Amino acid sequence: DIQMTQSPSTLSASVGDSVIITCRASQSISSRLAWYQQKPGKAPKLLIYKASSLGSGVPSRFSGSGSGTEFTLTISSLQPDDFAIYYCQQYNTYWTFGQGTKVEIK
Amino acid sequence: QVQLVESGGGVVQPGRSLRLSCAVSGFTFSSHGMHWVRQAPGKGLEWMAVIAFDGSYQYYAGSVEGRFTISRDNSRNTVYLQMNSLRPEDTAMYYCVRSEGVGGYRPFDYWGQGTLVTVSS
Repeated sequence: DIQMTQSPSTLSASVGDSVIITCRASQSISSRLAWYQQKPGKAPKLLIYKASSLGSGVPSRFSGSGSGTEFTLTISSLQPDDFAIYYCQQYNTYWTFGQGTKVEIK
Repeated sequence: QVQLVESGGGVVQPGRSLRLSCAVSGFTFSSHGMHWVRQAPGKGLEWMAVIAFDGSYQYYAGSVEGRFTISRDNSRNTVYLQMNSLRPEDTAMYYCVRSEGVGGYRPFDYWGQGTLVTVSS
């Protein structure tokens, strides 16, 4: 099974900050990596797919990069609506999520 | 617009069964694989099962293989999850999720609002 490890688990930041979340796969997954945002009491929402492609309607302050085993999600100029939990997911072999990164207000 | 509406959750005793349904609208159901994903209270996301656009294959997470069965009825635009031999650790919010595309390994582009399953005596 492919394991996905995110870091950090929690990230404290202020509105306007730029933040980076890292996701590592236990083996190469090419670019088959997605990022999701989940707010309390809501279903997750697709942000990024194919490592760097923006999902429908997703603001351009979100960007993704990486391939193989190392990936990053960058949120430039954090907005109040961005405080949430972020999950990476590999879809190279079945589907596996990272444990999540909570972005909280500093 | 794309909608996925789950139903069938509730409180059930350990060892009993439950069937979840997910009615979809707003897209061509028979052109997409469908998944179930669960999230235990306060925990992360766990992929459970997938069914092909035409029902030709199903795959399961190891934690539920042999106990859960995913199926679909393309005439009713509905996907199901039959859950047998339920355990307390199956307690979770269960999400119905659309695969972005017909087949193969793809990300999840639309999610339902979820239905809560609680396994407790």
